[in-house]
Amino acid sequence: QSALTQPASVSGSPGQSITISCTGTSSDVGRYKLVAWYQQHPGKVPKLMIYDVTKRPSGVSNRFSGSKSGNTASLTISGLQAEDEADYYCSSYTSTSTLFGTGTKVTVL
Amino acid sequence: QVQLVESGGGVLQPGRSLRLSCAASKFTFRSYAMHWVRQAPGKGLEWVAMISNDGSHIYYADSVKGRFTISRDNFESSLYLQMNSLRPEDTAVYYCAKDQGAGVGATLDYWGQGTLVTVSS
Repeated sequence: QSALTQPASVSGSPGQSITISCTGTSSDVGRYKLVAWYQQHPGKVPKLMIYDVTKRPSGVSNRFSGSKSGNTASLTISGLQAEDEADYYCSSYTSTSTLFGTGTKVTVL
Repeated sequence: QVQLVESGGGVLQPGRSLRLSCAASKFTFRSYAMHWVRQAPGKGLEWVAMISNDGSHIYYADSVKGRFTISRDNFESSLYLQMNSLRPEDTAVYYCAKDQGAGVGATLDYWGQGTLVTVSS
């Protein structure tokens, strides 16, 4: 049950696009279409942003999109805004657990 | 709107036990799997345990297996986490989270506000 690997930090200027990677193995990310992404602002509760690799819950901006290739999933934030500055975590289903990523701090320059 | 309210956190010494509760409302509790997730101060999210909607499937993180027990009461719409043999590394905010589905899954669509557990001598 090792955590999924994410870059510690990603930054971008307002209006730019950034992509956060989430690398797992053929037993988790690579095997199932059950990857989710969560946004967490400081001192706040995590919020579901993407599920089933590409789906957005109602109310989540379409500036957020997800994808997957092999053992790596990605979250792309387009048209970066100041309010997007937060920590982001990926997660993946496995047959006996849920794995979270190490987390990525997104900074809006 | 879905509501999840955790309680039971506190400060205690290593080796002691604690039971966390999560009161659920405004959704059909018995229809969804539930999870406990924790976050140590300044650290990332760590999945702890999950239980299917009917309690027939239960899974734990290796770090808590044999020490923690997840359970639920569908009549009371409540989720529980019994934590035994607590260690300093169990210090964290513990979140109760609702799964999007009934069975084993990994999409946590609603989270409680969390309850802080501090294990220290």
